Amino acid sequence: DADVTQTPRNRITKTGKRIMLECSQTKGHDRMYWYRQDPGLGLRLIYYSFDVKDINKGEISDGYSVSRQAQAKFSLSLESAIPNQTALYFCATSAAANYGYTFGSGTRLTVV
Amino acid sequence: KQEVTQIPAALSVPEGENLVLNCSFTDSAIYNLQWFRQDPGKGLTSLLLIQSSQREQTSGRLNASLDKSSGRSTLYIAASQPGDSATYLCAVPSYGQNFVFGPGTRLSVLP
Repeated sequence: DADVTQTPRNRITKTGKRIMLECSQTKGHDRMYWYRQDPGLGLRLIYYSFDVKDINKGEISDGYSVSRQAQAKFSLSLESAIPNQTALYFCATSAAANYGYTFGSGTRLTVV
Repeated sequence: KQEVTQIPAALSVPEGENLVLNCSFTDSAIYNLQWFRQDPGKGLTSLLLIQSSQREQTSGRLNASLDKSSGRSTLYIAASQPGDSATYLCAVPSYGQNFVFGPGTRLSVLP
């Protein structure tokens, strides 16, 4: 099994719908992150969490919300999806500031 | 604010060549630097993590160097193979916290 698992792998949804992307990890890491990747714009940080009670906005948090249900689970929600949220979404984990990241395989989201 | 650039944006080489990918960052107060590989539409695979106290790290045919004072890192790939074709990204922490990613170098190794 993968260390960082994202579900679903692919999703097509309609404008205005609420959608949740889920991430779970078996690394035992405290830090979890959500990034989106767009062609030409690279990876941009949406939200991050350093422990269960800690939630922080990244550079592009508008239109998104997150929930850290447990140390191992970090979910990203789009309350009302719009087409420009079509992107590849990645979850990542890290043990601490001087450790590297481990990424999930990504969720490809298309909003039509 | 940490900014990361990578040169070249794309590179095409014949199989067997040695090559160098470059990464530059603006804030040298970093804990570490990480190189990743990404295949099209796939996730990011960690290749090498260099701590700020290190000058280089090696893994197989890959060697990454770090020069904090000049804000540069290089990824050296020896004896390139078609299976090395992918996008390579470097990432450095911003203010010692979350990673900021470069735009990547898209590598094609031709048989």
